[in-house]
Amino acid sequence: SQQGEEDPQALSIQEGENATMNCSYKTSINNLQWYRQNSGRGLVHLILIRSNEREKHSGRLRVTLDTSKKSSSLLITASRAADTASYFCATARNSGNTPLVFGKGTRLSVIA
Amino acid sequence: GAVVSQHPSRVICKSGTSVKIECRSLDFQATTMFWYRQFPKQSLMLMATSNEGSKATYEQGVEKDKFLINHASLTLSTLTVTSAHPEDSSFYICSALEGGGGTATQYFGPGTRLTVL
Repeated sequence: SQQGEEDPQALSIQEGENATMNCSYKTSINNLQWYRQNSGRGLVHLILIRSNEREKHSGRLRVTLDTSKKSSSLLITASRAADTASYFCATARNSGNTPLVFGKGTRLSVIA
Repeated sequence: GAVVSQHPSRVICKSGTSVKIECRSLDFQATTMFWYRQFPKQSLMLMATSNEGSKATYEQGVEKDKFLINHASLTLSTLTVTSAHPEDSSFYICSALEGGGGTATQYFGPGTRLTVL
């Protein structure tokens, strides 16, 4: 069942600005992952953060995780037009071999 | 990283026909694969869990007789959309699970776009 909720649903910013997307979930998790999807294309894995981690960086990406609030945020710094895409959070529950459950996604538009 | 392929990448068919989509793990074995469906501007919704050598487990609301899943080998799962109708038009994405327990990693295929006329 769909459990993640991202906000905002849509975000439009100017190139060079930072973009912040938030994700909330309902059950306990093993890890939380963020994916990007360009229109009509497959998923691109961005970053994974485990339940015992609070913050993680990868290039221009910064992800935080607050398990007490069951929420995560994805920050993209110095955005570029090429960052225009939909971004999804996905959670993996504690037990193994369980499928990822995706949030509804945020559609990011970066205007040059 | 591990690679998962899907075939075909795009298919157009007439209403009432059946369409088979293949999902392959190219460089690892996967006893478990998952099938997702994504409608335009929406998120991925899990359809079913495909288990090698056993019956698939379907999510609530997904018709098992309409979406036939066969996981006959450790590297191949197939999804057959039977008697397809326009409302079945969607983007179908599979994923394969590498490893097990808390360290299992899910790798996604590139997706198959199905258009039913």
